[in-house]
Amino acid sequence: QKEVEQNSGPLSVPEGAIASLNCTYSDRGSQSFFWYRQYSGKSPELIMSIYSNGDKEDGRFTAQLNKASQYVSLLIRDSQPSDSATYLCAVSMNRDDKIIFGKGTRLHILP
Amino acid sequence: KAGVTQTPRYLIKTRGQQVTLSCSPISGHRSVSWYQQTPGQGLQFLFEYFSETQRNKGNFPGRFSGRQFSNSRSEMNVSTLELGDSALYLCASSSNLQETQYFGPGTRLLVL
Repeated sequence: QKEVEQNSGPLSVPEGAIASLNCTYSDRGSQSFFWYRQYSGKSPELIMSIYSNGDKEDGRFTAQLNKASQYVSLLIRDSQPSDSATYLCAVSMNRDDKIIFGKGTRLHILP
Repeated sequence: KAGVTQTPRYLIKTRGQQVTLSCSPISGHRSVSWYQQTPGQGLQFLFEYFSETQRNKGNFPGRFSGRQFSNSRSEMNVSTLELGDSALYLCASSSNLQETQYFGPGTRLLVL
């Protein structure tokens, strides 16, 4: 099992709809979870971090964490064309303190 | 605060050469991590330095090395370059590895 898995996409979502991005991880003891957005040719930028089970909201973005299912997701409400990017899930592994990134999901918002 | 800076931004080398990349973290950040990003493999962890000590290392050959100076600036060196080393090399700084990492713009290395 890969350490951090994401569907590579592309995920196409109509403008104004909700985009749902998913990520699973293998280390049950992981404590820190991050979502980064990366535009083509640019470096990743942090969108949200989440450390506790449940939901965390920031503007149009909601991160959801379920440690029992080893699952973290990112919801983007009212999707905009500017949200088109690759979204990277990152997990801080408990066993060796490394941060492991998934390969990312390409999101395409359809105008 | 100024962000993470990396130099150079672009680099072209030939096989067998060596290269040194530089990263200046955000002021006050003591943790610097290096990543290699390629289309096929995604973002792969190289190593992390904290207070001049390498705390973590990814699964890369010994040709990849790094160091950190007392001002937290870090350098990464790749010796005996191979074609497969062509990639975007990203540096990220944080107050501690478990905390949010802030990425620099990257150095795009092309090995011919």
